[in-house]
Amino acid sequence: DARVTQTPRHKVTEMGQEVTMRCQPILGHNTVFWYRQTMMQGLELLAYFRNRAPLDDSGMPKDRFSAEMPDATLATLKIQPSEPRDSAVYFCASISALQGAWVDEQFFGPGTRLTVL
Amino acid sequence: QKEVEQNSGPLSVPEGAIASLNCTYSDRGSQSFFWYRQYSGKSPELIMSIYSNGDKEDGRFTAQLNKASQYVSLLIRDSQPSDSATYLCAVNLNAGGTSYGKLTFGQGTILTVHP
Repeated sequence: DARVTQTPRHKVTEMGQEVTMRCQPILGHNTVFWYRQTMMQGLELLAYFRNRAPLDDSGMPKDRFSAEMPDATLATLKIQPSEPRDSAVYFCASISALQGAWVDEQFFGPGTRLTVL
Repeated sequence: QKEVEQNSGPLSVPEGAIASLNCTYSDRGSQSFFWYRQYSGKSPELIMSIYSNGDKEDGRFTAQLNKASQYVSLLIRDSQPSDSATYLCAVNLNAGGTSYGKLTFGQGTILTVHP
Protein backbone atom coordinates (compact mmCIF):
# COMPACT_ATOMS: atom_id res chain seq x y z
CA ASP A 1 0.00 0.00 0.00
CA ALA A 2 1.99 2.96 -1.31
CA ARG A 3 1.51 6.14 0.65
CA VAL A 4 3.29 9.27 1.76
CA THR A 5 4.30 9.21 5.40
CA GLN A 6 5.03 12.15 7.68
CA THR A 7 6.48 12.46 11.17
CA PRO A 8 5.68 13.64 13.71
CA ARG A 9 1.91 13.74 13.37
CA HIS A 10 1.59 16.31 16.13
CA LYS A 11 4.10 18.74 17.58
CA VAL A 12 3.66 21.25 20.36
CA THR A 13 6.60 23.52 21.03
CA GLU A 14 7.44 26.85 22.53
CA MET A 15 8.28 29.96 20.61
CA GLY A 16 11.94 30.10 19.65
CA GLN A 17 12.44 26.35 19.49
CA GLU A 18 13.58 24.50 16.39
CA VAL A 19 11.06 22.26 14.67
CA THR A 20 11.90 19.57 12.12
CA MET A 21 9.24 17.77 10.10
CA ARG A 22 9.97 14.73 7.96
CA CYS A 23 8.34 13.25 4.90
CA GLN A 24 8.87 9.97 3.09
CA PRO A 25 7.45 10.18 -0.46
CA ILE A 26 5.90 7.24 -2.25
CA LEU A 27 8.66 4.93 -3.48
CA GLY A 28 9.61 5.91 -7.01
CA HIS A 29 8.14 9.40 -6.82
CA ASN A 30 10.77 11.98 -7.72
CA THR A 31 8.94 15.21 -6.92
CA VAL A 32 8.04 16.31 -3.39
CA PHE A 33 5.92 19.28 -2.34
CA TRP A 34 5.59 20.96 1.06
CA TYR A 35 2.33 22.76 1.88
CA ARG A 36 1.03 24.68 4.85
CA GLN A 37 -2.68 24.85 5.64
CA THR A 38 -4.42 27.35 7.90
CA MET A 39 -8.04 28.42 8.17
CA MET A 40 -7.23 31.92 7.00
CA GLN A 41 -4.85 31.19 4.11
CA GLY A 42 -5.98 27.76 3.01
CA LEU A 43 -3.46 25.43 1.40
CA GLU A 44 -0.25 27.21 0.44
CA LEU A 45 2.72 25.77 -1.41
CA LEU A 46 5.95 26.39 0.51
CA ALA A 47 8.56 24.58 -1.60
CA TYR A 48 9.10 21.65 -3.90
CA PHE A 49 11.88 19.41 -5.09
CA ARG A 50 12.49 17.31 -8.18
CA ASN A 51 15.14 14.59 -8.11
CA ARG A 52 16.19 16.05 -4.74
CA ALA A 53 16.96 19.48 -6.23
CA PRO A 54 14.95 22.47 -5.01
CA LEU A 55 12.85 23.95 -7.82
CA ASP A 56 10.85 26.62 -6.06
CA ASP A 57 10.85 27.81 -2.46
CA SER A 58 9.30 31.20 -3.07
CA GLY A 59 6.39 30.41 -0.77
CA MET A 60 8.64 29.89 2.22
CA PRO A 61 9.77 32.56 4.71
CA LYS A 62 13.50 32.40 4.02
CA ASP A 63 14.69 33.78 7.30
CA ARG A 64 13.35 30.94 9.42
CA PHE A 65 12.29 28.09 7.13
CA SER A 66 14.50 25.65 5.29
CA ALA A 67 13.72 22.56 3.24
CA GLU A 68 16.03 19.79 2.10
CA MET A 69 16.04 16.32 0.57
CA PRO A 70 19.02 14.47 2.04
CA ASP A 71 18.11 11.45 -0.08
CA ALA A 72 15.36 10.25 -2.41
CA THR A 73 13.33 8.77 0.44
CA LEU A 74 13.44 11.68 2.87
CA ALA A 75 12.39 15.33 2.71
CA THR A 76 12.70 17.65 5.69
CA LEU A 77 11.18 21.00 6.58
CA LYS A 78 12.80 22.94 9.39
CA ILE A 79 11.67 26.05 11.24
CA GLN A 80 14.21 27.89 13.36
CA PRO A 81 13.22 29.80 15.41
CA SER A 82 9.53 28.91 15.50
CA GLU A 83 6.85 31.54 16.13
CA PRO A 84 3.17 31.27 17.12
CA ARG A 85 2.14 32.35 13.60
CA ASP A 86 3.77 29.15 12.27
CA SER A 87 1.01 27.11 13.92
CA ALA A 88 -0.63 25.20 11.09
CA VAL A 89 -0.88 21.79 9.48
CA TYR A 90 2.06 21.02 7.24
CA PHE A 91 1.48 18.55 4.42
CA CYS A 92 3.88 16.77 2.17
CA ALA A 93 2.80 15.42 -1.22
CA SER A 94 4.59 13.57 -4.00
CA ILE A 95 4.26 12.74 -7.68
CA SER A 96 6.20 10.85 -10.29
CA ALA A 97 7.52 13.27 -12.92
CA LEU A 98 9.73 11.08 -15.04
CA GLN A 99 10.26 12.06 -18.66
CA GLY A 100 7.77 10.19 -20.81
CA ALA A 101 5.85 8.89 -17.81
CA TRP A 102 4.56 11.97 -16.11
CA VAL A 103 1.73 11.48 -13.66
CA ASP A 104 0.73 14.75 -12.07
CA GLU A 105 -1.79 13.53 -9.54
CA GLN A 106 -0.46 14.54 -6.14
CA PHE A 107 -0.77 12.20 -3.18
CA PHE A 108 -0.74 13.78 0.25
CA GLY A 109 0.69 12.56 3.51
CA PRO A 110 -1.33 12.71 6.74
CA GLY A 111 0.23 16.01 7.79
CA THR A 112 2.03 17.36 10.84
CA ARG A 113 -0.11 19.52 13.11
CA LEU A 114 2.22 22.13 14.61
CA THR A 115 1.32 24.30 17.58
CA VAL A 116 3.77 26.95 18.68
CA LEU A 117 2.98 28.43 22.09
CA GLN B 1 -8.11 38.37 -8.46
CA LYS B 2 -7.16 35.01 -6.99
CA GLU B 3 -5.61 32.50 -9.36
CA VAL B 4 -8.10 29.77 -8.41
CA GLU B 5 -11.46 30.76 -6.99
CA GLN B 6 -14.21 28.67 -5.49
CA ASN B 7 -17.56 29.46 -3.95
CA SER B 8 -16.70 29.50 -0.28
CA GLY B 9 -20.07 28.14 0.74
CA PRO B 10 -20.98 26.54 2.94
CA LEU B 11 -23.18 24.52 0.64
CA SER B 12 -25.92 22.50 2.22
CA VAL B 13 -27.94 19.91 0.30
CA PRO B 14 -30.39 17.21 1.37
CA GLU B 15 -29.46 13.56 1.12
CA GLY B 16 -30.07 12.22 -2.37
CA ALA B 17 -29.78 15.60 -4.08
CA ILE B 18 -27.14 16.76 -6.55
CA ALA B 19 -24.37 18.92 -5.10
CA SER B 20 -22.72 21.31 -7.54
CA LEU B 21 -19.30 22.78 -6.79
CA ASN B 22 -17.71 25.43 -8.97
CA CYS B 23 -14.21 26.71 -9.61
CA THR B 24 -12.71 29.34 -11.91
CA TYR B 25 -9.05 29.85 -12.74
CA SER B 26 -7.04 32.72 -14.15
CA ASP B 27 -4.48 31.20 -16.53
CA ARG B 28 -5.76 30.15 -19.95
CA GLY B 29 -2.69 27.96 -20.40
CA SER B 30 -3.67 25.66 -17.53
CA GLN B 31 -3.65 22.00 -18.50
CA SER B 32 -4.51 19.88 -15.48
CA PHE B 33 -7.43 20.16 -13.09
CA PHE B 34 -8.18 18.27 -9.92
CA TRP B 35 -10.78 17.93 -7.23
CA TYR B 36 -9.70 16.92 -3.75
CA ARG B 37 -11.92 16.02 -0.82
CA GLN B 38 -10.77 16.85 2.69
CA TYR B 39 -12.52 15.58 5.78
CA SER B 40 -12.04 17.54 8.97
CA GLY B 41 -8.65 16.79 10.50
CA LYS B 42 -7.53 14.71 7.50
CA SER B 43 -5.35 15.28 4.48
CA PRO B 44 -6.67 16.13 0.99
CA GLU B 45 -7.68 13.06 -0.99
CA LEU B 46 -7.77 13.10 -4.79
CA ILE B 47 -11.20 12.21 -6.15
CA MET B 48 -11.16 13.44 -9.75
CA SER B 49 -8.72 14.67 -12.36
CA ILE B 50 -9.68 16.14 -15.74
CA TYR B 51 -7.55 17.31 -18.63
CA SER B 52 -9.89 17.77 -21.62
CA ASN B 53 -12.98 19.84 -22.22
CA GLY B 54 -16.22 18.09 -21.44
CA ASP B 55 -17.42 15.73 -18.76
CA LYS B 56 -15.65 12.95 -16.91
CA GLU B 57 -17.68 10.58 -14.81
CA ASP B 58 -16.56 8.31 -11.98
CA GLY B 59 -19.36 6.70 -10.02
CA ARG B 60 -21.47 9.42 -8.43
CA PHE B 61 -18.92 12.11 -9.32
CA THR B 62 -18.79 14.07 -12.56
CA ALA B 63 -16.13 16.66 -13.32
CA GLN B 64 -16.84 19.21 -16.03
CA LEU B 65 -14.21 21.36 -17.74
CA ASN B 66 -14.70 24.35 -20.00
CA LYS B 67 -11.33 25.84 -20.90
CA ALA B 68 -12.85 28.65 -22.96
CA SER B 69 -14.71 29.88 -19.89
CA GLN B 70 -11.86 28.90 -17.54
CA TYR B 71 -14.30 26.96 -15.45
CA VAL B 72 -14.26 23.56 -13.81
CA SER B 73 -17.03 22.01 -11.75
CA LEU B 74 -17.79 18.91 -9.73
CA LEU B 75 -21.21 17.34 -9.51
CA ILE B 76 -22.02 14.81 -6.83
CA ARG B 77 -25.16 12.83 -7.57
CA ASP B 78 -27.23 11.09 -4.91
CA SER B 79 -25.37 12.99 -2.19
CA GLN B 80 -24.77 11.12 1.04
CA PRO B 81 -23.98 12.40 4.54
CA SER B 82 -20.56 10.79 4.11
CA ASP B 83 -19.90 13.30 1.29
CA SER B 84 -19.88 16.10 3.87
CA ALA B 85 -16.38 17.56 3.63
CA THR B 86 -14.40 20.43 2.19
CA TYR B 87 -13.84 20.15 -1.57
CA LEU B 88 -10.69 21.73 -2.96
CA CYS B 89 -10.23 22.68 -6.59
CA ALA B 90 -6.61 22.51 -7.77
CA VAL B 91 -5.12 23.68 -11.04
CA ASN B 92 -1.72 23.25 -12.65
CA LEU B 93 -1.51 26.84 -13.85
CA ASN B 94 1.48 26.26 -16.09
CA ALA B 95 2.16 22.71 -17.10
CA GLY B 96 5.47 23.38 -18.79
CA GLY B 97 9.01 22.71 -17.68
CA THR B 98 10.00 22.73 -14.07
CA SER B 99 6.55 23.77 -12.85
CA TYR B 100 5.15 20.43 -13.96
CA GLY B 101 2.96 19.07 -11.20
CA LYS B 102 2.86 22.33 -9.25
CA LEU B 103 -0.72 22.95 -8.14
CA THR B 104 -2.54 26.05 -7.01
CA PHE B 105 -5.48 25.37 -4.73
CA GLY B 106 -8.70 27.23 -4.22
CA GLN B 107 -9.89 28.10 -0.73
CA GLY B 108 -12.29 25.16 -0.71
CA THR B 109 -16.07 24.78 -0.49
CA ILE B 110 -17.56 23.25 2.62
CA LEU B 111 -20.32 20.80 1.70
CA THR B 112 -22.85 19.53 4.21
CA VAL B 113 -25.29 16.79 3.23
CA HIS B 114 -28.11 16.56 5.73
CA PRO B 115 -30.32 13.49 6.16
